[in-house]
Amino acid sequence: EVQLVETGGGLIQPGGSLRLSCVVSGFTVSSDFMTWVRQAPGKGLEWVSIIHIDGSTYYADSVKGRFTISRDNSNNILHLLMNSLRVEDTAVYYCANRGYWGQGTLVTISS
Amino acid sequence: QAVVTQEPSLTVSPGGTVILTCGSSTGAVTSGHYPYWFQQKPGQAPKTLIHDTTNKHSWTPARISGSLLGGKAALTLSGAQPEDEAIYYCLVFDSGVGVFGGGTKLTVL
Repeated sequence: EVQLVETGGGLIQPGGSLRLSCVVSGFTVSSDFMTWVRQAPGKGLEWVSIIHIDGSTYYADSVKGRFTISRDNSNNILHLLMNSLRVEDTAVYYCANRGYWGQGTLVTISS
Repeated sequence: QAVVTQEPSLTVSPGGTVILTCGSSTGAVTSGHYPYWFQQKPGQAPKTLIHDTTNKHSWTPARISGSLLGGKAALTLSGAQPEDEAIYYCLVFDSGVGVFGGGTKLTVL
């Protein structure tokens, strides 16, 4: 059974850092692209980042230079390191691949 | 980054057919933009319905299909059911970067 479970969300002050993890079971993170998508409260979906099979990565302009996507092939985990966090980064963060989604983890940026 | 546009809302009668579209500010949407379609119901994570323009997942209802139509990606829902009421999002990739549309709220009434 395929499962994606996001962890690492929480409340953090502006300017802080947070690392999200997406623990994957049922397939290997290196066998497909993996992506992060976020959704601010009451808003639509916003694409954040992607890591492809070959390791290439892409980012939305809104997070480029602040967020880093990576994967741990040994433990089958996808990560999103978020630095210089802003109030507007507040959202539920989902990890997903071509077909499957996690349930999301809430990140709240507030002083 | 491109701006991706969807109809903000659509209404379909039960058993009816509706087409949702997904356009890009940079020009025609093609298979090279790898269009995706997702369904999201209140309080739930999104669900992937279509990937790479036309490809369904095992859970995608047979009444739902993806295509390209008039320079846009399109999602056709035939024989609408009450459970199809949801927000539908498209996602396209432009030079590796993904962009979501604003979503279409579909009402079955």
